[in-house]
Amino acid sequence: GAVVSQHPSRVICKSGTSVKIECRSLDFQATTMFWYRQFPKQSLMLMATSNEGSKATYEQGVEKDKFLINHASLTLSTLTVTSAHPEDSSFYICSARRGGRQETQYFGPGTRLLVL
Amino acid sequence: GENVEQHPSTLSVQEGDSAVIKCTYSDSASNYFPWYKQELGKGPQLIIDIRSNVGEKKDQRIAVTLNKTAKHFSLHITETQPEDSAVYFCAASKGSARQLTFGSGTQLTVLP
Repeated sequence: GAVVSQHPSRVICKSGTSVKIECRSLDFQATTMFWYRQFPKQSLMLMATSNEGSKATYEQGVEKDKFLINHASLTLSTLTVTSAHPEDSSFYICSARRGGRQETQYFGPGTRLLVL
Repeated sequence: GENVEQHPSTLSVQEGDSAVIKCTYSDSASNYFPWYKQELGKGPQLIIDIRSNVGEKKDQRIAVTLNKTAKHFSLHITETQPEDSAVYFCAASKGSARQLTFGSGTQLTVLP
């Protein structure tokens, strides 16, 4: 149990376009989902925390108008990178938590974004 | 905020030997400490976790120890195998949001 999927697994886009990444909890309801960004050979950097039905909470330095997060249901959160630029190229990973007193976060397989 | 330091950054061991990775945290309110294994190009996979009311936890070849007083916790892998080669991350969390603060990662290489 506790499977999290992401789609797409990799995407290449032109500079200026928008890209949407989906994160789904397949076998449990996720009250909270998290979005991370990871550069090569570096650790995971938390971008934002989203709770179902409410606005996401962004970490300091993360532009909320550039990285739009929607957590419309207990099994789906989306991250949209708007007007993508080459510096947005990265590995984006989501995680999901059941909620309540459950601390465990289950991670998706990640999405490799390359902006040309 | 919380700061998690992880050492070493790289670790090479011979197959069958043990590997130990250590982390320290700064916020004494942190009470949940997971360890994740990440293979190249994949998302992190939870391998073991420990809560602050427990000092040690084992799962087959993997164990984690926690010293709350010193604010450090360690991952122990015994009888290492080549498939254990990966990047390992420690993390700490607290509070209702349960946001994780990650360490910088350890590249473990098990030599056959």
